[in-house]
Amino acid sequence: TQLLEQSPQFLSIQEGENLTVYCNSSSVFSSLQWYRQEPGEGPVLLVTVVTGGEVKKLKRLTFQFGDARKDSSLHITAAQPGDTGLYLCTFRGSQGNLIFGKGTKLSVKP
Amino acid sequence: EADIYQTPRYLVIGTGKKITLECSQTMGHDKMYWYQQDPGMELHLIHYSYGVNSTEKGDLSSESTVSRIRTEHFPLTLESARPSHTSQYLCASSDQTAYEQYFGPGTRLTVT
Repeated sequence: TQLLEQSPQFLSIQEGENLTVYCNSSSVFSSLQWYRQEPGEGPVLLVTVVTGGEVKKLKRLTFQFGDARKDSSLHITAAQPGDTGLYLCTFRGSQGNLIFGKGTKLSVKP
Repeated sequence: EADIYQTPRYLVIGTGKKITLECSQTMGHDKMYWYQQDPGMELHLIHYSYGVNSTEKGDLSSESTVSRIRTEHFPLTLESARPSHTSQYLCASSDQTAYEQYFGPGTRLTVT
């Protein structure tokens, strides 16, 4: 059973389009993190959300944590080819490790 | 910028060989982790360490072993590689809060 469900699994869009990807769970989390992984590299932390209903903005990226702290979304405005990558949502497990979803693989074509 | 390094980046070896994947970090982090990532699948924790001489197995069972003799170094060893070990191996580290993990670039291992 997947603890974190990410959707869509794949997304291919044209440069300049907007998009939203989702991370859902039946569990309540104290915090969620979003990472981006580029091909051939390790994941890099984008943001941590901790408060239900919280919205954080990082340039063209907007992250939201659901009111019930069970879900999160990532919205990208005017996507660019440099946004291409695997977007992973995670939460921290009991051993301090990260529990990952399968990710959304985003491709932005020029 | 994260200072965590993994070598080799790519490795193709034959079945039965012993291999060691290297991971080093220069941030002085106490906590280090090894994750395994198959294509299209989640990253799964296979080993972690809270500090020198501390090693624990993660959620995903693995035939690999690790050691932590120095803070900055957390190598992973496979005594006898098999095709089922083919995967991407990612090393990460964090400070005591474990608030953010810094990942290395990974080692893509292929066992033929």
